[in-house]
Amino acid sequence: DQQVKQNSPSLSVQEGRISILNCDYTNSMFDYFLWYKKYPAEGPTFLISISSIKDKNEDGRFTVFLNKSAKHLSLHIVPSQPGDSAVYFCAVLNEKLTFGTGTRLTIIP
Amino acid sequence: ETGVTQTPRHLVMGMTNKKSLKCEQHLGHNAMYWYKQSAKKPLELMFVYNFKEQTENNSVPSRFSPECPNSSHLFLHLHTLQPEDSALYLCASSQDRGGVDTDTQYFGPGTRLTVL
Repeated sequence: DQQVKQNSPSLSVQEGRISILNCDYTNSMFDYFLWYKKYPAEGPTFLISISSIKDKNEDGRFTVFLNKSAKHLSLHIVPSQPGDSAVYFCAVLNEKLTFGTGTRLTIIP
Repeated sequence: ETGVTQTPRHLVMGMTNKKSLKCEQHLGHNAMYWYKQSAKKPLELMFVYNFKEQTENNSVPSRFSPECPNSSHLFLHLHTLQPEDSALYLCASSQDRGGVDTDTQYFGPGTRLTVL
């Protein structure tokens, strides 16, 4: 049973607009959440994280929101740029790092 | 070289072959990981090494045999694989394996393995 779900396999967004990537998790005991970005032929790279004691963390154009009651995590990218086109994985850290299936984001120039 | 490197980047092997994947990290980290990424599936953790000792084996078949001679190098020895083992194998490292502040993992580019 998948503990981390990214229900949208793909997303297309116009350049300059906001990209919102979503992630749901099942275990309310999870306490640390991460987003990774992956380009083709490269391994995932760490993007941003958030601890369960916070509900928002911001780093430049990237903001992660955590809704603990809904067990929902989202990544906002604004403004979206063509270089943001990649696959985005959410991951939760409890005793180990568990990844979602990823969402392919395409930014349309 | 910086970060986490993996060789080879692509590997095609028959079911009777024996091959090895190599991972090297230049980050001074103490923990190293092997992951498998199959199409349309989440990344699956296979093995974890912390200070050269294996701390996790997630029910991986014995045809996959990891080796960690030191904190900078990690190998995955492959023998008598099956076609369903074809996947992207990713290596990662983290500073430590103890807490959230030290467990952020840095990934290599992966080895694309095809088993014929």
